[in-house]
Amino acid sequence: QKEVEQNSGPLSVPEGAIASLNCTYSDRVSQSFFWYRQYSGKSPELIMSIYSNGDKEDGRFTAQLNKASQYVSLLIRDSQPSDSATYLCAVGGNAGKSTFGDGTTLTVKP
Amino acid sequence: GAVVSQHPSWVICKSGTSVKIECRSLDFQATTMFWYRQFPKQSLMLMATSNEGSKATYEQGVEKDKFLINHASLTLSTLTVTSAHPEDSSFYICSARDPLRGNYEQYFGPGTRLTVT
Repeated sequence: QKEVEQNSGPLSVPEGAIASLNCTYSDRVSQSFFWYRQYSGKSPELIMSIYSNGDKEDGRFTAQLNKASQYVSLLIRDSQPSDSATYLCAVGGNAGKSTFGDGTTLTVKP
Repeated sequence: GAVVSQHPSWVICKSGTSVKIECRSLDFQATTMFWYRQFPKQSLMLMATSNEGSKATYEQGVEKDKFLINHASLTLSTLTVTSAHPEDSSFYICSARDPLRGNYEQYFGPGTRLTVT
């Protein structure tokens, strides 16, 4: 079992829909969780961080964390074609390192 | 804030030569930087953790004598790929943590695309 698992995708949604990206992790003591967006040929960009159970909203993005279920998700409302990218889930660990999932590729169709 | 730069953005070198990649934190001091490698359509692979003033910590399977890391100041870490071969061709990305933020957020540089001919 991988330490951080994401739906392999690809995920395709129509423009204006809600895109839901999921991630599970294996280390029960993890305390910090991140979502990065990576456009093709570019480096990752941090879009959300979450540390407490519940929801955290930032514009069209909502991160949800459930530590009991070891589950973190990212919702993108009113999806736009510019949201088409690979989304990486990361879990913070020892020595400041983060463990990354393999990513889910999202395509938003106009 | 939290801007990280890399230089060069791309480089082509001949097999057997060495290439140095620089990673700089522009508006914060980074005691810890990370070096990743990413092959096309694959996930990020952590190569090593670079700590200012001390030796880097390499991930299992990464040759420390081939990938030399130096973190001589709080704003600069360098990765030198020694005796490069075509299989070293990849996208090399650094990231840095801002210790003043007190969390594990990593800020990535734009990456360096290395092609070894």
